[in-house]
Amino acid sequence: DTAVSQTPKYLVTQMGNDKSIKCEQNLGHDTMYWYKQDSKKFLKIMFSYNNKELIINETVPNRFSPKSPDKAHLNLHINSLELGDSAVYFCASSQAPGQGLGIQYFGAGTRLSVL
Amino acid sequence: SQKIEQNSEALNIQEGKTATLTCNYTNYSPAYLQWYRQDPGRGPVFLLLIRENEKEKRKERLKVTFDTTLKQSLFHITASQPADSATYLCALKGYSTLTFGKGTMLLVSP
Repeated sequence: DTAVSQTPKYLVTQMGNDKSIKCEQNLGHDTMYWYKQDSKKFLKIMFSYNNKELIINETVPNRFSPKSPDKAHLNLHINSLELGDSAVYFCASSQAPGQGLGIQYFGAGTRLSVL
Repeated sequence: SQKIEQNSEALNIQEGKTATLTCNYTNYSPAYLQWYRQDPGRGPVFLLLIRENEKEKRKERLKVTFDTTLKQSLFHITASQPADSATYLCALKGYSTLTFGKGTMLLVSP
């Protein structure tokens, strides 16, 4: 029973398209994250939600819009995809900031290729 | 600006030896420092955490040290095995964020 699951695992699409990635966690955590890992393997935070509220929004183009319907789900919608969006996107979850030790649990990643 | 530095070159060692990976940071006062392992095609997996007031932490064959004066953490794997081959990431915990280093790839040859 996967703790943090994201779909799809692979996403190949054309420039200009709109796509979504879904993430669900069954750990009972209050906080969820989206990270981008580029070709140089650098893992960079994009967004964080705590109990459905946005708490971290790094410098990310507004073509990226996260949505958290409930605290167990955090989806990422990307409009007008560009070549530079090609990367692996990871979802993660943890206990709320200030609670616990900040250990994060990651999904397996979604490899996005924009052609 | 805040920086986390890990050796970008892969570390190649022979099975049975001790692997030592380094994480240096600047302009941080982290509450915790964490180490994660990432295998190809997978997400990072938490290994160990060390608090700012702890010098050393151990878990089975893993040992982490944390020197807040030097602003450095060392991650050791003793009696290394080929199955330990992976990328190891250090991460520094602020209040609400966890910032990752770029990771060091470890290759353990039989």
